[in-house]
Amino acid sequence: AQRVTQPEKLLSVFKGAPVELKCNYSYSGSPELFWYVQYSRQRLQLLLRHISRESIKGFTADLNKGETSFHLKKPFAQEEDSAMYYCALSGQGGSEKLVFGKGTKLTVNP
Amino acid sequence: DAMVIQNPRYQVTQFGKPVTLSCSQTLNHNVMYWYQQKSSQAPKLLFHYYDKDFNNEADTPDNFQSRRPNTSFCFLDIRSPGLGDAAMYLCATSTGHGQFFGPGTRLTVL
Repeated sequence: AQRVTQPEKLLSVFKGAPVELKCNYSYSGSPELFWYVQYSRQRLQLLLRHISRESIKGFTADLNKGETSFHLKKPFAQEEDSAMYYCALSGQGGSEKLVFGKGTKLTVNP
Repeated sequence: DAMVIQNPRYQVTQFGKPVTLSCSQTLNHNVMYWYQQKSSQAPKLLFHYYDKDFNNEADTPDNFQSRRPNTSFCFLDIRSPGLGDAAMYLCATSTGHGQFFGPGTRLTVL
């Protein structure tokens, strides 16, 4: 069964501290992994895809197939990073159906 | 420059009264999705269109239907809304490189 687990519902850090949002997945095959972010009163938007291997807004995420994890990291959190973060997976192929985790609400305190 | 537009943003309906939510896109993407997101839960895929091909998720209730008259528009019809259908409904589009989401329509069922 396809499943995405984000173990932390809430995560609070201070500005300038490192932050790591955890994501583990279950999928039989080779999934695509994504991080989506939703800032307050804004729409859900794509932050990262594992295959692009980019750093967006200072965030990175590495796919660890052995641990079936795709943790999101940032070395120095900023207050504007406060948002809801969703990890998601899809099977490879054109339709890109997403299975989302329950999300982690990140609060960065001044 | 909104790319995925959902109308209305807020919809109130009565128990059992049919309601239609609409989504339009200016991106010319061939795939469109409808998700349901209940409070404090992850978005859950209801169905998607790959061009004109309709794909229903196995656990989507029959009460939910969809239409896609052309590339730009997609509609979600709830034939007989129940109290349990109160949720945020998200429309998204994709070309296979990450999904673009609309702002959502919040449905209230009285």
